[in-house]
Amino acid sequence: GAVVSQHPSRVICKSGTSVKIECRSLDFQATTMFWYRQFPKQSLMLMATSNEGSKATYEQGVEKDKFLINHASLTLSTLTVTSAHPEDSSFYICSARPLAVQQETQYFGPGTRLLVL
Amino acid sequence: AQSVSQHNHHVILSEAASLELGCNYSYGGTVNLFWYVQYPGQHLQLLLKYFSGDPLVKGIKGFEAEFIKSKFSFNLRKPSVQWSDTAEYFCAVSEGNQGGKLIFGQGTELSVKP
Repeated sequence: GAVVSQHPSRVICKSGTSVKIECRSLDFQATTMFWYRQFPKQSLMLMATSNEGSKATYEQGVEKDKFLINHASLTLSTLTVTSAHPEDSSFYICSARPLAVQQETQYFGPGTRLLVL
Repeated sequence: AQSVSQHNHHVILSEAASLELGCNYSYGGTVNLFWYVQYPGQHLQLLLKYFSGDPLVKGIKGFEAEFIKSKFSFNLRKPSVQWSDTAEYFCAVSEGNQGGKLIFGQGTELSVKP
């Protein structure tokens, strides 16, 4: 149980294009999903908290107009990297927190590797 | 702002050696503590977690961690490592009232020599 999927697993795009990444909780509902960015050999940096039915909460320094987050249902959140540039190349990871009282554990997706040429 | 610090960037051990990975955090209030493991090419998996109660927490694959509140520490231990434990290990902390936001440490790469 507690499986989180991401699609696509990797994507290569041209500079200036937009890329959408999906995060799905497959066997549980999640009111809250999180989006992280991981640079090579570094830790995960929280980008934003995605809440179903409301606007995402972005961490300091993360451009909300560049990284659009939509959490349309209890099992799906999407991250759209708009007008991607080479510096946006990274590993993007989502996590989902099950809909349960006092449940603080997050389950992570396999990540999406983005390469912007 | 809260921070999480892992003391060791890269640890190299022989099989059967004992392991201890350090983790310290800076927040003084109620915290939830986690250790995650990331095997090569795989996604993050939860090793163990501490919310409250017994400060000695046992996780999967023979790992355990001890929460020492006075030292703001949550060190990960395993008495005898295996080659298959080769992975990246992340300590993470969430504050009690922050809606589950996880702050990760820098990670420790563990290499176990057969």
